[in-house]
Amino acid sequence: QQPVQSPQAVILREGEDAVINCSSSKALYSVHWYRQKHGEAPVFLMILLKGGEQKGHDKISASFNEKKQQSSLYLTASQLSYSGTYFCGTDAGGTSYGKLTFGQGTILTVHP
Amino acid sequence: SAVISQKPSRDICQRGTSLTIQCQVDSQVTMMFWYRQQPGQSLTLIATANQGSEATYESGFVIDKFPISRPNLTFSTLTVSNMSPEDSSIYLCSVERGLAGGSDTQYFGPGTRLTVL
Repeated sequence: QQPVQSPQAVILREGEDAVINCSSSKALYSVHWYRQKHGEAPVFLMILLKGGEQKGHDKISASFNEKKQQSSLYLTASQLSYSGTYFCGTDAGGTSYGKLTFGQGTILTVHP
Repeated sequence: SAVISQKPSRDICQRGTSLTIQCQVDSQVTMMFWYRQQPGQSLTLIATANQGSEATYESGFVIDKFPISRPNLTFSTLTVSNMSPEDSSIYLCSVERGLAGGSDTQYFGPGTRLTVL
């Protein structure tokens, strides 16, 4: 079942912060975050593993609450380059290990 | 990461015909995946292709419509057969790669934009 992302869209000015949420109805092994710019391939940002939290690059970090089956992506002091569509991909592990189910995406627009 | 190329990058096809999309990666990988992304939509997994075994298809996708080959550890093809306008989409391949710390993730190719008339 597809994870649910919120919000669907965010508009920011440079320097502002944003949080994107990803919620699953299934127990998860890991959550993967990607950013996709128009006409380009999704680019891997970071992975959150069951039992751990991993910070990414620049001013982007994320958390993973296993009990709530939720992950959040935090973008601080946003830059114009952060604009794009953000997807979470969830891995339920077990026999499905390695297969990702993606949320519907969150469109982030950063204005000067 | 991984360097992944896809051919063709885009194509316009007539209904009823078939198109084969190629995916080449710069190093050997065990698992390759094929996704479909309809305009403005999310990514939907079509199938998983492991070298030396039959591809595993997700619910709603069948081998007769989307035959896949995986002849070696750096290459795979996806064929979209007997196309209809509903098959118009972006098709992406991805590969599984290990990360520091022992976990794995997927890296995506640039995609093939298919339009069926």
